[in-house]
Amino acid sequence: GDSVTQMEGPVTLSEEAFLTINCTYTATGYPSLFWYVQYPGEGLQLLLKATKADDKGSNKGFEATYRKETTSFHLEKGSVQVSDSAVYFCALRPGAGSYQLTFGKGTKLSVIP
Amino acid sequence: SAVISQKPSRDICQRGTSLTIQCQVDSQVTMMFWYRQQPGQSLTLIATANQGSEATYESGFVIDKFPISRPNLTFSTLTVSNMSPEDSSIYLCSVMGIEGQPQHFGDGTRLSIL
Repeated sequence: GDSVTQMEGPVTLSEEAFLTINCTYTATGYPSLFWYVQYPGEGLQLLLKATKADDKGSNKGFEATYRKETTSFHLEKGSVQVSDSAVYFCALRPGAGSYQLTFGKGTKLSVIP
Repeated sequence: SAVISQKPSRDICQRGTSLTIQCQVDSQVTMMFWYRQQPGQSLTLIATANQGSEATYESGFVIDKFPISRPNLTFSTLTVSNMSPEDSSIYLCSVMGIEGQPQHFGDGTRLSIL
């Protein structure tokens, strides 16, 4: 079945550091890929998405590129802020009319001043 | 995107009791889903709530334990029945406004069972 593998956390960075959170997936067909963010005590917010190979999703300084050849969708940000401290989830949605999301285990990011 | 309201936001319940969680959306949506997030874990899909018919449950989840209703295109409920401490989790409602669009989540219900 479909699966998503994220790098283990927690990740602790200093403010203005470069962030990469790795995400790889296993799926048949042509899934859509997502990054969601969960701030402390809140639900999930959609951060960015990509629906086909070579698409780049971007939002709030975060970027991720859908790489079919490496089955990856790594999340990057050039300069993190304290307010980026949260848990980040990579997720996939199968194509062909199936809409359930499969999530990775989540990566907790802490940014220190 | 749709505004999703979940109630209650948190609760502490006694073992053996049941709790119904409500999910209200401010616009009609095609699909509604219920997820569970156990402490420190990722999200697991419980079921897809179908309007006017029985929900579609994922492996490991059954209607007797998690009955779901969806009477219209803007509202759904999830009941956690005969609760035990293992049911302590965050329960999240998500919606898909238009078929194929990303899912958006409510803020969740934080449930603790004593």
